[in-house]
Amino acid sequence: GENVEQHPSTLSVQEGDSAVIKCTYSDSASNYFPWYKQELGKRPQLIIDIRSNVGEKKDQRIAVTLNKTAKHFSLHITETQPEDSAVYFCAASTWTGGYNKLIFGAGTRLAVHP
Amino acid sequence: SAVISQKPSRDICQRGTSLTIQCQVDSQVTMMFWYRQQPGQSLTLIATANQGSEATYESGFVIDKFPISRPNLTFSTLTVSNMSPEDSSIYLCSPGGGTSTDTQYFGPGTRLTVL
Repeated sequence: GENVEQHPSTLSVQEGDSAVIKCTYSDSASNYFPWYKQELGKRPQLIIDIRSNVGEKKDQRIAVTLNKTAKHFSLHITETQPEDSAVYFCAASTWTGGYNKLIFGAGTRLAVHP
Repeated sequence: SAVISQKPSRDICQRGTSLTIQCQVDSQVTMMFWYRQQPGQSLTLIATANQGSEATYESGFVIDKFPISRPNLTFSTLTVSNMSPEDSSIYLCSPGGGTSTDTQYFGPGTRLTVL
């Protein structure tokens, strides 16, 4: 079945630096890749997603890149701020034969230090 | 995005008992996904429910332990049966269309502690 690997598991940066989180997936048929941010005690929030017909998508300080050939995608956060501190999850869609479901990476705990 | 609510938001239960978690969506959705998030872990899909059919369970999850109801397109319940401390987790519902490009959002979650 589909497997999603996420690295690193923890990431510590100084405020203003960039942060990059990488994920690889196994199902070559996957075509939808969302990223979620989960703050302590809260539900995962969708922050950006990308579909397989594009290679990059940007939303203000957040960008996601997708390399379908290599089966990996990455989240880039520029000019990090303390409020970016959270756990980030990548996910990839996989077809079950009846519907699509998301498979999640293990998560990256990002700490942004002032 | 749809407004998703869950009840209860949290509960503390004794081992051996059962808890039913409700998920309400303010619009009709085809699929309802139920996830478990163990402390400090990622999201694991328990099962997927479509109205009018039995839920489809992921490997490691069985209907006797996690029965699901889906009486209509806006509502679903997940029951955690015969609970043990290992069931202490956050349970989240997530409505979706089941297509490859559907955006999935999560309910606020139910934080369950089993003593």
